[in-house]
Amino acid sequence: AQTVTQSQPEMSVQEAETVTLSCTYDTSESDYYLFWYKQPPSRQMILVIRQEAYKQQNATENRFSVNFQKAAKSFSLKISDSQLGDAAMYFCALNQGGSEKLVFGKGTKLTVNP
Amino acid sequence: AAGVIQSPRHLIKEKRETATLKCYPIPRHDTVYWYQQGPGQDPQFLISFYEKMQSDKGSIPDRFSAQQFSDYHSELNMSSLELGDSALYFCASSLSPRAYEQYFGPGTRLTVT
Repeated sequence: AQTVTQSQPEMSVQEAETVTLSCTYDTSESDYYLFWYKQPPSRQMILVIRQEAYKQQNATENRFSVNFQKAAKSFSLKISDSQLGDAAMYFCALNQGGSEKLVFGKGTKLTVNP
Repeated sequence: AAGVIQSPRHLIKEKRETATLKCYPIPRHDTVYWYQQGPGQDPQFLISFYEKMQSDKGSIPDRFSAQQFSDYHSELNMSSLELGDSALYFCASSLSPRAYEQYFGPGTRLTVT
């Protein structure tokens, strides 16, 4: 079975500062993908960043980067230069090889303080 | 860029009624997924289709059925609605089942009274 755990129900950060959201996962497969999705108050699910398990290099998308620790099954999201528009619920998700469904963590609600 | 389209965006039904949700994937995407997100919950996978065939099934109630049509749009049919079916229903699409990246539509908010 595949599971995703986000241990921080809520986080807050000051505008322009950096914040890291934690995610751990469990899977028996060697082929899998990890994602971070953002869900603002509009409830739209927005893909932020993806990481292929076979790649050692951490993915980066502008102000968003991940720290992928495969042995520890850890996949944290770092948001640099936080902006008010980054305030949202962030979901970590796993897509296990051979199965197309996404399995989500419970989410971390991020507040950005001006 | 074109996105996933879902209709209707909001739907109010009474208990025991039937609802049909529609999803139009991104052009050239042949794989569609349905997720249910209850209040304060994470999205839960319901069912997926690839090339008009069911490809995976999650915790979808027997009262629900879905299909994908020749133009790749998909419909989720929900019968004998219960109060607990009130949720946000997302459709997502991907370029193929192995493409992994899933792009979500805006969701249909279903309220059962």
